Amino acid sequence: ETMMTQSPGTLSVSPGERATLSCTASENININLAWYQQKTGQAPRLLFYGASIRATGFPARFSASGSGTQFTLTITSLESEDFAVYYCQQYHKWPYTFGQGTTLEIK
Amino acid sequence: EVRLVESGGGLVQPGRSQRLSCAASGFTFNDYTMHWVRQVPGKGLEWVASIGWNGADTDYANSVKGRFTISRDNAKNSLHLQMSSLRPEDSGLYFCAKDVGVQSLVVFDSWGQGTLVTVSS
Repeated sequence: ETMMTQSPGTLSVSPGERATLSCTASENININLAWYQQKTGQAPRLLFYGASIRATGFPARFSASGSGTQFTLTITSLESEDFAVYYCQQYHKWPYTFGQGTTLEIK
Repeated sequence: EVRLVESGGGLVQPGRSQRLSCAASGFTFNDYTMHWVRQVPGKGLEWVASIGWNGADTDYANSVKGRFTISRDNAKNSLHLQMSSLRPEDSGLYFCAKDVGVQSLVVFDSWGQGTLVTVSS
């Protein structure tokens, strides 16, 4: 099973600043990685897939990159609605696994 | 607008069965692979099962293989998850999710709000 590890577990950032979230795969997954945003009491929402393809509805202050085993999600100029839990997920091989999540909280 | 509405959750005793359903609308249902993903409240996400557009191809997580069956009714735009031999560790919020592409990627681009399953005596 491909293990997905996200860091940090919790990230405290002030509005207007930049947040960088990391996701590491235990083996090479090429670019078969997705990111999801989940707000309290809501279903997750697809943010990126193909490691860097932004999903519909998210602004350009969200960006993502990486390949192989190392991936990064960057959010610049944080706004209040960006504070949430972010999950990465690999779909390179069965079983399809998620990271444990990074909580992005207001500092 | 894609809409996915799950139903069928509730309290069930260990060892018993439960059937979840998902009503889909707003897209051409029979074009897409569909999935079930679960989440223990306050915890992370776990992919559970997937089914191809015509129902011929199914896939399961090891934790549910042999106990859960995913199915679909394209005439009724509905997805189902038959769960049997339920265990306390099967408790969680079960989401129905649509695949992002016509060619299945196992990327979940639309989600329902979930239906809560609690397995307890």
